[in-house]
Amino acid sequence: DTEVTQTPKHLVMGMTNKKSLKCEQHMGHRAMYWYKQKAKKPPELMFVYSYEKLSINESVPSRFSPECPNSSLLNLHLHALQPEDSALYLCASSQTQREYEQYFGPGTRLTVT
Amino acid sequence: GQQLNQSPQSMFIQEGEDVSMNCTSSSIFNTWLWYKQDPGEGPVLLIALYKAGELTSNGRLTAQFGITRKDSFLNISASIPSDVGIYFCAGFPSGGGADGLTFGKGTHLIIQP
Repeated sequence: DTEVTQTPKHLVMGMTNKKSLKCEQHMGHRAMYWYKQKAKKPPELMFVYSYEKLSINESVPSRFSPECPNSSLLNLHLHALQPEDSALYLCASSQTQREYEQYFGPGTRLTVT
Repeated sequence: GQQLNQSPQSMFIQEGEDVSMNCTSSSIFNTWLWYKQDPGEGPVLLIALYKAGELTSNGRLTAQFGITRKDSFLNISASIPSDVGIYFCAGFPSGGGADGLTFGKGTHLIIQP
């Protein structure tokens, strides 16, 4: 299984809503990542988890809250988002010894109204 | 942070033509990767390069890791309609991946039948 799955595929939420994005992989990877991607731009790193512990937080606002409940799952909890947070949110995973070789999920297209 | 200069920004070519794109950096990278992203999907890893001078092929795709470790190119031979998409180069720095992958801004490939 070489797949990273993400749910939901699309999400529309209001600025007062609370929602969560989910990511799952069964490749035995112990490093997982959240990226944000705006249209026609490259992905921007948000968070890195290594062995289920948060190792990198790229100065992301607190309205984004990541969680890694186990080695296969990664969540991104969303609360009080702004319209400018609308983007494609990508999850990726890699082996910790080969963190440069990242495998991406299909993404969640988020629209904040 | 580090930046990758990817060119061209977009390409309009005829089906059957060869395609060439490249990435340059002012910093040294230990690993170069090339990803392709289709609309509404996550990036898919095409080729990974690990040693300066390395030339690697994946079907009609060929990529090289520059001798100076500051550049890489990707060639696509005999393009077909399904090659359409955005191609991103990405680098992993020599000092380690504290900031994760660094992405180029992408080359948007459009193929006219």
